[in-house]
Amino acid sequence: AQSVTQLDSQVPVFEEAPVELRCNYSSSVSVYLFWYVQYPNQGLQLLLKYLSGSTLVKGINGFEAEFNKSQTSFHLRKPSVHISDTAEYFCAVRLNTGGFKTIFGAGTRLFVKA
Amino acid sequence: EAQVTQNPRYLITVTGKKLTVTCSQNMNHEYMSWYRQDPGLGLRQIYYSMNVEVTDKGDVPEGYKVSRKEKRNFPLILESPSPNQTSLYFCASSPSGSYNEQFFGPGTRLTVL
Repeated sequence: AQSVTQLDSQVPVFEEAPVELRCNYSSSVSVYLFWYVQYPNQGLQLLLKYLSGSTLVKGINGFEAEFNKSQTSFHLRKPSVHISDTAEYFCAVRLNTGGFKTIFGAGTRLFVKA
Repeated sequence: EAQVTQNPRYLITVTGKKLTVTCSQNMNHEYMSWYRQDPGLGLRQIYYSMNVEVTDKGDVPEGYKVSRKEKRNFPLILESPSPNQTSLYFCASSPSGSYNEQFFGPGTRLTVL
């Protein structure tokens, strides 16, 4: 069975500070990894994804994530956050079997304070 | 504009009264899926479809039905809603292939009294 664990349910941080949102996953088959962001009262949109190759992937709005195969982690980082980054962030895995089965983590609510 | 639309956006109903939430996408995507979002649980996949007339269960299919008669539409049916189905529902679509991102609708907030 597959699972995704987001280690922090809430992360408060001051504006312009760095932030890391942690995601660990477990799977018996290879997976593709995604981070999505959900702004208040909206649907989810893609931040970035890891398919293969370089373990450091860059996404929109200055976010990046690093894939660590040995630790089965895919942590999301931003060196300097803005008030507008306040949102909920979801880590997700899709099985590399050609299907559409998707497992999401419980989400991390990032709250950026002035 | 490329988008996934859902209707209604908000719905309050009573236990046992059949309802349908519609989902439509204009991107010619092969894959479509329904999720429910509950606090502390993230998004959980209800059903998904990889093509017309092809559907499969996700992790929480009990109490739900779906159909995919046309490529663009993927309605979610609750034949006898119960209070534990009160939730925020999202429809998503994706091109075929596990490596592709999903495009989400704006959500439907359902309350079952």
